[in-house]
Amino acid sequence: GQNIDQPTEMTATEGAIVQINCTYQTSGFNGLFWYQQHAGEAPTFLSYNVLDGLEEKGRFSSFLSRSKGYSYLLLKELQMKDSASYLCAVRAGAGSYQLTFGKGTKLSVIP
Amino acid sequence: DTEVTQTPKHLVMGMTNKKSLKCEQHMGHRAMYWYKQKAKKPPELMFVYSYEKLSINESVPSRFSPECPNSSLLNLHLHALQPEDSALYLCASSQDVGTSDWTGELFFGEGSRLTVL
Repeated sequence: GQNIDQPTEMTATEGAIVQINCTYQTSGFNGLFWYQQHAGEAPTFLSYNVLDGLEEKGRFSSFLSRSKGYSYLLLKELQMKDSASYLCAVRAGAGSYQLTFGKGTKLSVIP
Repeated sequence: DTEVTQTPKHLVMGMTNKKSLKCEQHMGHRAMYWYKQKAKKPPELMFVYSYEKLSINESVPSRFSPECPNSSLLNLHLHALQPEDSALYLCASSQDVGTSDWTGELFFGEGSRLTVL
């Protein structure tokens, strides 16, 4: 089976740094995605990790440790518009269309 | 053009109605998806089409009937739905698994919010 855990809610201050963790236990692993979803809108792609290590993209970075079944999304210089849900998703098999999403972490950025 | 367009944005229907949700993309993607998302829940995969053929059906009730008329269009036909089917229905597309640089990144439409009375 597939199990993906992430915190339900987090609050952080504008201008600060926040780290959103994701742990997974899946039957197979072929990549981990982070998506951002504002309320009432579609998810938008943030990052993709398939090898261990850190991927940096502007204010957003994502880290993966396959041996630990662990990833995090790091958001720097938080802005009010970063208030959204952040979804961790795992692709279990090579050539698989199926992404299993975690329940999402609702991030609230406060002044 | 990196958009996935869904219509209608909002739909209210009775349990005896027949309606359809439509999705269109012009990115040349050959894989298209329907996801269902309830409030405060993650998206759940319903169907996947690859090269206009149904590749995955996640045991979805037959009152939901997908159709892929061509490589740019994906429909979801709705009939005899239940109130618990009320949700946001998201269409997505991606490169097909056979593409050499495929990551499986999904491009989502804005969704169709369905209310079944």
